[in-house]
Amino acid sequence: DAGVIQSPRHEVTEMGQEVTLRCKPISGHNSLFWYRQTMMRGLELLIYFNNNVPIDDSGMPEDRFSAKMPNASFSTLKIQPSEPRDSAVYFCASSLVVVPGYEQYFGPGTRLTVT
Amino acid sequence: KNQVEQSPQSLIILEGKNCTLQCNYTVSPFSNLRWYKQDTGRGPVSLTIMTFSENTKSNGRYTATLDADTKQSSLHITASQLSDSASYICVVSDAAGNKLTFGGGTRVLVKP
Repeated sequence: DAGVIQSPRHEVTEMGQEVTLRCKPISGHNSLFWYRQTMMRGLELLIYFNNNVPIDDSGMPEDRFSAKMPNASFSTLKIQPSEPRDSAVYFCASSLVVVPGYEQYFGPGTRLTVT
Repeated sequence: KNQVEQSPQSLIILEGKNCTLQCNYTVSPFSNLRWYKQDTGRGPVSLTIMTFSENTKSNGRYTATLDADTKQSSLHITASQLSDSASYICVVSDAAGNKLTFGGGTRVLVKP
């Protein structure tokens, strides 16, 4: 099993540009999570999907952020326009079901730097 | 507001020694508490998951304890190895299992 795959691993962009982060969950998993990690705020849940449907997006910081999951094997997190304060590591995680005790498997993350 | 506080923020230990990390939480009711290990530049990896009815759970040299009455958990690392150098994150799930509250992590450095 390849695990959760994220791309790109590193992204450097200028303020105002659109950024798209990609995630391929583990095959067979039906829940997908997007997280952001910074030194100041630690890990924060942005949004999660169950069976490709967004369940809770209350963690999305503002309208500049959007996420989609067009099918069970692909999701994107888009930031438009990007700002320097968006610089962080963005993780995608997947799990089999969204119930207590089910494990979430994290991808390697995308390190985003907005200058 | 649900909170998860970890201590210490960082610690340095000598290879072969034991150490204990602490996690206090206010999430209530909660369904489970997880400890993750995060190596530098990588995603978190689960070490243990405990429900509110479990008191202890082990994974090799890692042993987690849970006191649901005092809302405290600890992670004990036995006979530390250089590969234990990482951040350890405590995560508490709400009763429905959908909302995760993350602690700030403890950065452990094991020196030879």
